[in-house]
Amino acid sequence: EAQVTQNPRYLITVTGKKLTVTCSQNMNHEYMSWYRQDPGLGLRQIYYSMNVEVTDKGDVPEGYKVSRKEKRNFPLILESPSPNQTSLYFCASSDRGITEAFFGQGTRLTVV
Amino acid sequence: AQKVTQAQTEISVVEKEDVTLDCVYETRDTTYYLFWYKQPPSGELVFLIRRNSFDEQNEISGRYSWNFQKSTSSFNFTITASQVVDSAVYFCALSETSNTGKLIFGQGTTLQVKP
Repeated sequence: EAQVTQNPRYLITVTGKKLTVTCSQNMNHEYMSWYRQDPGLGLRQIYYSMNVEVTDKGDVPEGYKVSRKEKRNFPLILESPSPNQTSLYFCASSDRGITEAFFGQGTRLTVV
Repeated sequence: AQKVTQAQTEISVVEKEDVTLDCVYETRDTTYYLFWYKQPPSGELVFLIRRNSFDEQNEISGRYSWNFQKSTSSFNFTITASQVVDSAVYFCALSETSNTGKLIFGQGTTLQVKP
């Protein structure tokens, strides 16, 4: 089954404690992105990757890091989380930049 | 700048009513793509439709239909004979042609269908 898998689904952490949200896709897609969803703002792109070792900033990259060492994986790293990073996060992949994006189940992160 | 506006924050209807969700977009590109996604209460994002800027034909899929009008930069979504299972947040999105895979989302419209 074609899917994008994120882990964990829920995470509560404390300010400053480094965390990683994993994302994996099994569709051999080149494009992968991370978005955060906040009430009234829709989804906003954090980082994207067009292929292995190719990543770039989206609209709200501050406080986040990503890596793309393998085509299927695109982890999101918060080196020092802060409460304003409390949000719902989605990983997405697509075959090309303009085709349908497949989304993971979402990760609800709370930073206290 | 590219932008998507969904002016309706929340809509509440009674089952079997028809409902239209509005989407207005801004872009300077001549080639672009528009999408609708559904987010049910369980939280996942479900793809509904993709439309390219050269295809202005309306689309119908069961109870769902989409009206794309370049003249008014709108891509509206109509649900006919709504059902309780249609209750969800609906997002309209625009794809940049810079080929970064980036989707620009509207704020979302929460649809509540009451029995």
